[in-house]
Order: sequence, then C-alpha cells, then structure tokens
Amino acid sequence: QQQVKQSPQSLIVQKGGIPIINCAYENTAFDYFPWYQQFPGKGPALLIAIRPDVSEKKEGRFTISFNKSAKQFSLHIMDSQPGDSATYFCAASGSGGFKTIFGAGTRLFVKA
Amino acid sequence: NAGVTQTPKFQVLKTGQSMTLQCAQDMNHEYMSWYRQDPGMGLRLIHYSVGAGITDQGEVPNGYNVSRSTTEDFPLRLLSAAPSQTSVYFCASSYSLQGGGDTQYFGPGTRLTVL
Repeated sequence: QQQVKQSPQSLIVQKGGIPIINCAYENTAFDYFPWYQQFPGKGPALLIAIRPDVSEKKEGRFTISFNKSAKQFSLHIMDSQPGDSATYFCAASGSGGFKTIFGAGTRLFVKA
Repeated sequence: NAGVTQTPKFQVLKTGQSMTLQCAQDMNHEYMSWYRQDPGMGLRLIHYSVGAGITDQGEVPNGYNVSRSTTEDFPLRLLSAAPSQTSVYFCASSYSLQGGGDTQYFGPGTRLTVL
C-alpha cells in the first residue's frame, strides 16, 4: 500500500517531442504528489508538485495530470529539449506523518 | 545560503569498517532525512528526524545509526560496513513534515563503495 509505481524505466525522445512519465499509487491517504528532477552527479530537486484537489497543474513546459479515481498521475514535458535529459522521480506523501515514498525513477534522454 | 551540504563526496571502505557521513543544512529546517539511491530502486528512506533529539527509522534502517543533537546537523553512521551498503547516499531537509507537502531539499550526495 505504500508503493509508488513508475513507468517507463527509460525513455528516448527527439527534441520537441512530449515525453510522458506515469505513476500509480495505492494509499488513498497520500495527498501531495511531487516530481523531482535529477541530473548526473547531483541531488534531486523539486520540479513541480500537485495536490489531489486539482486535475492538472502547469509550470512552464512541465504539466502534471492527476486522476484521483484511478490513483494515477503523470508528468508531461512539452517541447522537450536536450537540457531536459535527466532522471525523473515521482513521489507521494500524506498528512498525518506519511513520509515521502519515491518511484523507481525514469531516465529521459532527449536527442538533439 | 549553502543549502544542504554533505561530506565526503566519495568514500571507499573495506567490509567491517565504520564511518560517518556528514550532513548539514543552514535553512533552519526541522525535518531531515537520509536516503540511499540504488539503480532501479529509486530513493529509499533510511532514517529521519523531525527535530533536534528526535529520530526514527525509515524503510531500510538496518546497519545505520543517526543522531540529531542540533537543528543543523544530521550525521549517518555505518556501524560495520557491508558490500550491500554500496550506494549513493542523499541527505535532505524540509521546513516541516506537517501536511506531508513540504519541498525536500537534497544535498549533492555521497558515493560509497564497500569492498
């Protein structure tokens, strides 16, 4: 019940494409869903986050879509660039002390 | 602000040796945690602290000890290193755990190899 399942494990897209990374969770007590971006040799950094009271959130070229009934959420990267090549982690946490649980990560490579 | 700092960046140990990974933050955050990152397994929580003097176990605590004597520092001790502890270790901090919705700020990581 504490797992967050992330797919795909890796993804290659052409510049300008729209990579989509999917995550699914089981614990309905989760109420905060962040995405972290990690470049090689660096620590993860928060990219964008959503709460389940909205179905979509956009920040620049990054969009989270959230489906509460299906317990799924996804990250879309519009007009992807080679500089977006990184590992992306979805995560979930909840009020009442539910600690952050991370997905396994997706390695994205954007071809120039 | 330096944010979250970790030392050392790299470390090689022999099986059975002990060592301490250092972590410090200058953001006055209450909540600090240690994760390990292994290929295909994401980030797994080892130990965390909700304030000075208060620590608790995460998902994979065996073989590790922590203490939190100050708000700023949260060292991770490996008691008797094993090859299974070869990993990249990240320290993170956030303002609080309340509501589960606070951004975690990660350090640059320590790459540990146990021979």
